[in-house]
Amino acid sequence: DPKIIQKPKYLVAVTGSEKILICEQYLGHNAMYWYRQSAKKPLEFMFSYSYQKLMDNQTASSRFQPQSSKKNHLDLQITALKPDDSATYFCASSQERLGGYEQYFGPGTRLTVL
Amino acid sequence: GEQVEQLPSILRVQEGSSASINCTYENSASNYFPWYKQEPGENPKLIIDIRSNMERKQTQGLIVLLDKKAKRFSLHITDTQPGDSAMYFCAASRGSNAKLTFGKGTKLSVKS
Repeated sequence: DPKIIQKPKYLVAVTGSEKILICEQYLGHNAMYWYRQSAKKPLEFMFSYSYQKLMDNQTASSRFQPQSSKKNHLDLQITALKPDDSATYFCASSQERLGGYEQYFGPGTRLTVL
Repeated sequence: GEQVEQLPSILRVQEGSSASINCTYENSASNYFPWYKQEPGENPKLIIDIRSNMERKQTQGLIVLLDKKAKRFSLHITDTQPGDSAMYFCAASRGSNAKLTFGKGTKLSVKS
């Protein structure tokens, strides 16, 4: 069974629209992350949350807003979409308790903005 | 911030030989160095990692070396197989729940 679920797997959007990428993890981890991967910038950190609180934000644009409604959920809302936002967005999680450093990645959502 | 340089970007080896990938980092506060394997259309999968209190770690045909003085770490794949063909990414972080800063990746091709 997949332990990190991302929905949808593929997403096509038009420029200027808004989309929400869903991430749920069932690993019992307290920390969750968003990373982005594109041909121009492979595997780039965006956000990290611990116990549903924002820990780090490396995304310059306020168009990207993480949302944590439950401790095992970290969704990503993207507004005013641009073609440059086209990428695969990966959610990841880790467990701080007992000194866990390992981050495990979900299957990703491939976003194409036309 | 942190910067991670990874070389080579492309690596072609013969089946059964060894493959080595090298990474350097800038921030001496980094203390955790994982390696991920990513196949086309898939997510990055953690294959081995090393913390700053170690110099060497080995598991199932993979060896990771860490030289803190030189701020350099490397992945060595012994007895490569066609199934090892993939993208490999090194990363560095300052430990638990900290962001990973990735290298640009190495495309490994193992020819039979």
